[in-house]
Amino acid sequence: NAGVMQNPRHLVRRRGQEARLRCSPMKGHSHVYWYRQLPEEGLKFMVYLQKENIIDESGMPKERFSAEFPKEGPSILRIQQVVRGDSAAYFCASQSEGVNTGELFFGEGSRLTVL
Amino acid sequence: GQSLEQPSEVTAVEGAIVQINCTYQTSGFYGLSWYQQHDGGAPTFLSYNALDGLEETGRFSSFLSRSDSYGYLLLQELQMKDSASYFCAVKNTGGFKTIFGAGTRLFVKA
Repeated sequence: NAGVMQNPRHLVRRRGQEARLRCSPMKGHSHVYWYRQLPEEGLKFMVYLQKENIIDESGMPKERFSAEFPKEGPSILRIQQVVRGDSAAYFCASQSEGVNTGELFFGEGSRLTVL
Repeated sequence: GQSLEQPSEVTAVEGAIVQINCTYQTSGFYGLSWYQQHDGGAPTFLSYNALDGLEETGRFSSFLSRSDSYGYLLLQELQMKDSASYFCAVKNTGGFKTIFGAGTRLFVKA
């Protein structure tokens, strides 16, 4: 049973380019979270999605960032026109519906570097 | 709003016991979780408390007091491999999103 899969693990972009980060949740999980982490800092909540629905995007910047979790395929976090401040590790976590243990299963993260 | 506070750093010696505290402010509290993260790695789940009291899992225990909006993680018989960052996280009833604290960096010395 594969865990949460994120790709790419490392991504380098120049300012103004687009970054697309993908997350395949654990089998049977229908809830996906995206978090952002700067070096030596905590995990900052960005967005919480269920299949085909955005449940809470209160942590997402209003511009340039978007997320989706289609009926088929992985969840995508998209960053348009990247700037140096977007350089960070982006972690995806998944959770199954109805589970009440509070446990999130994290992927290994995608590390974005903006030159 | 929501906020969690935990110490930024703790240092302890191998074999000792260490307690990492977490206080939180949130609307609609559902439960408190703890995660461990080694440098360059992914956060991994350690424990979850929805009710007051102590939960024990091997060398790790977690405590919650809902009335005090307070919890702690207790690590016993510390090993070098326990050197990592530890995050408390609150799950709230407003949408059930999970918010993380800034993390406590634990250094275990020989």
